[in-house]
Amino acid sequence: AQKVTQAQTEISVVEKEDVTLDCVYETRDTTYYLFWYKQPPSGELVFLIRRNSFDEQNEISGRYSWNFQKSTSSFNFTITASQVVDSAVYFCALESGAGSYQLTFGKGTKLSVIP
Amino acid sequence: DTGVSQDPRHKITKRGQNVTFRCDPISEHNRLYWYRQTLGQGPEFLTYFQNEAQLEKSRLLSDRFSAERPKGSFSTLEIQRTEQGDSAMYLCASSVPGGAGANVLTFGAGSRLTVL
Repeated sequence: AQKVTQAQTEISVVEKEDVTLDCVYETRDTTYYLFWYKQPPSGELVFLIRRNSFDEQNEISGRYSWNFQKSTSSFNFTITASQVVDSAVYFCALESGAGSYQLTFGKGTKLSVIP
Repeated sequence: DTGVSQDPRHKITKRGQNVTFRCDPISEHNRLYWYRQTLGQGPEFLTYFQNEAQLEKSRLLSDRFSAERPKGSFSTLEIQRTEQGDSAMYLCASSVPGGAGANVLTFGAGSRLTVL
């Protein structure tokens, strides 16, 4: 069975602070994909990143960075110099590489950035 | 391209009634997915189509739920004899079949169902 745990239910930071959102996953598959999606107050989920299980390189995209560590089954997401527009619910998700295309989502972390 | 469209955006119905939701995916996307999201939870997978073929169904999709994608374009999700536990946001998403964009889902805004 696959599982994604986002232990942080809600986080509040002051604008310009850095914040890290944690994601721990469980799977028995050797090939899998990890995702982060953002759900702003408007409600529409927006894709942020996809990472496959064979690529442990960390990635940086502007103020966003992701740290993938297979040894700890974690795929953490850091926002540097947070902005009010970053306020949203962030979901980590897992897809098995074994021919199934369904995503297993975590419960999400609600990030509030206070001006 | 206007993205993934869902209709209606909101539906209020009485228990026992049938409801139908429609999803129009991005035109070049041949994969279409339905997810359900309840308050404070992440989306839960319901079903997935590649073109007109329904290839995966979750155990969450009871026999009161049926999804179709008759011509491989738009899709409908019907819930028969609605129950209060069906109240949720029903999300549709689409994706291209392969390459770098494989399984990168583009979601619609969702159809919110309230069962009284």
